Amino acid sequence: DSGVTQTPKHLITATGQRVTLRCSPRSGDLSVYWYQQSLDQGLQFLIQYYNGEERAKGNILERFSAQQFPDLHSELNLSSLELGDSALYFCASSSGSYYNEQFFGPGTRLTVL
Amino acid sequence: KNEVEQSPQNLTAQEGEFITINCSYSVGISALHWLQQHPGGGIVSLFMLSSGKKKHGRLIATINIQEKHSSLHITASHPRDSAVYICAVRSGERGGADGLTFGKGTHLIIQP
Repeated sequence: DSGVTQTPKHLITATGQRVTLRCSPRSGDLSVYWYQQSLDQGLQFLIQYYNGEERAKGNILERFSAQQFPDLHSELNLSSLELGDSALYFCASSSGSYYNEQFFGPGTRLTVL
Repeated sequence: KNEVEQSPQNLTAQEGEFITINCSYSVGISALHWLQQHPGGGIVSLFMLSSGKKKHGRLIATINIQEKHSSLHITASHPRDSAVYICAVRSGERGGADGLTFGKGTHLIIQP
């Protein structure tokens, strides 16, 4: 158990809908990363937050957004969903220091029908 | 953008064999990670390296910064080592302001 929690575990929805994925980092970790794992693209970095502020952006679509709240949990919002958004979404957390190991949550499996 | 290449893509071996998985990257990095992903989907961080060598149980990871290459070795392999092993790198920028760039993974099967 990494100490990172993600909810829900599974999510099935329809095209055009909007969903919210939630992540709680390990106690004391300030950085939260979101990753997407799809069959065709593999694992990709989406976005990083550090202590409530956006730190870095990767391959995140404009239809996707994220935020980190004062209690350090983070939410990833996916809107106008398309079939191609079906994937595993992982959250990871780290302490935020320079050389920092990342600890991964169990993932949320999103299926868009 | 950093490209991360792993080899082999697939590897089937017999229990007890010594396993080597290779990872090459194209530009400077601040750290390299080896991750393990089991069929259930969860990702476990095995090692984070910035230089040299690390060992944990039967797993050994090495990195050569000059050659931009890392290897993951498994000694006395066991069927429970069957998983996808993923190499991932962080860029050379300071401040932890980058996410990871991932290789496509090596699918390892250890047969009893």
